Amino acid sequence: KAGVTQTPRYLIKTRGQQVTLSCSPISGHRSVSWYQQTPGQGLQFLFEYFSETQRNKGNFPGRFSGRQFSNSRSEMNVSTLELGDSALYLCASSLRSGRATGELFFGEGSRLTVL
Amino acid sequence: AQSVTQLDSQVPVFEEAPVELRCNYSSSVSVYLFWYVQYPNQGLQLLLKYLSGSTLVKGINGFEAEFNKSQTSFHLRKPSVHISDTAEYFCAVDFYGGSQGNLIFGKGTKLSVKP
Repeated sequence: KAGVTQTPRYLIKTRGQQVTLSCSPISGHRSVSWYQQTPGQGLQFLFEYFSETQRNKGNFPGRFSGRQFSNSRSEMNVSTLELGDSALYLCASSLRSGRATGELFFGEGSRLTVL
Repeated sequence: AQSVTQLDSQVPVFEEAPVELRCNYSSSVSVYLFWYVQYPNQGLQLLLKYLSGSTLVKGINGFEAEFNKSQTSFHLRKPSVHISDTAEYFCAVDFYGGSQGNLIFGKGTKLSVKP
């Protein structure tokens, strides 16, 4: 069974640009969550999508957005990039949303560098 | 606000020695508890989880953790570590009814196993 796939794995952008990251969950998983990982802040929750609907959102500015498609694949977008957006962006999928088993299956991440 | 604290950012230990990685959380409401491991350049992988029942839970790779409700702790232990256990370990908590998303992560503990 294929795991969570994130693309691209690495990318470099400049300030002011925008970026779109993609996540394909494990087959059958309908929930996709996104996390930002940085050395200083650790793992911070961005948002969660379930059946194409945003279920939860973390404390990030509106420049961070996401969506989920009918096949459960998800994308996140960051507009007007800032240096502080440099991070590893992790996608995680799970079977259900909300307070279920809570087990998340993570992809290997997309490492974004903003120059 | 709900929070998860991993008291040690780095833990160096010699091979075959025991290790304990500490995790405390802020609230005594109903919680689900998790430990994840992240190897270099990889996503996170679930080590073990506590949902209910016995407070001592066993996970993969010989790790175990004990839930202590009165001390709001969920410390991870291994009686004898291997070089291959070198990785970063994250404690994560699902606070019932929490508004910050499915899981809140600690900032991680880097375990370094030396020969």
